Amino acid sequence: GNSVTQMEGPVTLSEEAFLTINCTYTATGYPSLFWYVQYPGEGLQLLLKATKADDKGSNKGFEATYRKETTSFHLEKGSVQVSDSAVYFCALTPLADYGGSQGNLIFGKGTKLSVKP
Amino acid sequence: GAVVSQHPSRVICKSGTSVKIECRSLDFQATTMFWYRQFPKQSLMLMATSNEGSKATYEQGVEKDKFLINHASLTLSTLTVTSAHPEDSSFYICSARDVTQGDGPGAFFGQGTRLTVV
Repeated sequence: GNSVTQMEGPVTLSEEAFLTINCTYTATGYPSLFWYVQYPGEGLQLLLKATKADDKGSNKGFEATYRKETTSFHLEKGSVQVSDSAVYFCALTPLADYGGSQGNLIFGKGTKLSVKP
Repeated sequence: GAVVSQHPSRVICKSGTSVKIECRSLDFQATTMFWYRQFPKQSLMLMATSNEGSKATYEQGVEKDKFLINHASLTLSTLTVTSAHPEDSSFYICSARDVTQGDGPGAFFGQGTRLTVV
């Protein structure tokens, strides 16, 4: 079946440190992959996405590359800031029988990031 | 980007009462909306898929008689938690799919509703 596994947190970093949050997935075909962010007290926001192998999604200094060979979509940022403190969710859209997206999302458990000044 | 509004953001109710949560797509039509539940320190789990004008499709293990979903228009879906119990306390999140964007950016999410049953 479809599933997403991401590294457990919490992750605590100092400001300007390098961030990696690992995400691997299990799915048939080529699902679209996403990273969502949930800031304290807020709903989910799409951070970045990639829809096919070798695509790189990027936004706000964050990047993730769709690696089909390793079924991974690791999130990276070269220099984190205090304002990046949030919970990050890796997710995929399972494919329907016709090959397109079913529209819903399957999430990993989330990784809490705390950035200290 | 597209906006999804969810209301209320927080609700406290007594055990045995019912609570209705609304999910609206503000600037696009959503033929499909999704309802998720998030337990503390856990991921979001899909509860049901709501299709405009038809019955919702529930995930395995979700009680359809307890979690009533209505998707009467292209911009509104409601989730009613009937005869709520303390174990129903959770964070409920809706999302709506903008089909004009095809299989593109993923669904857009509401702000979520924190339900506390006392």
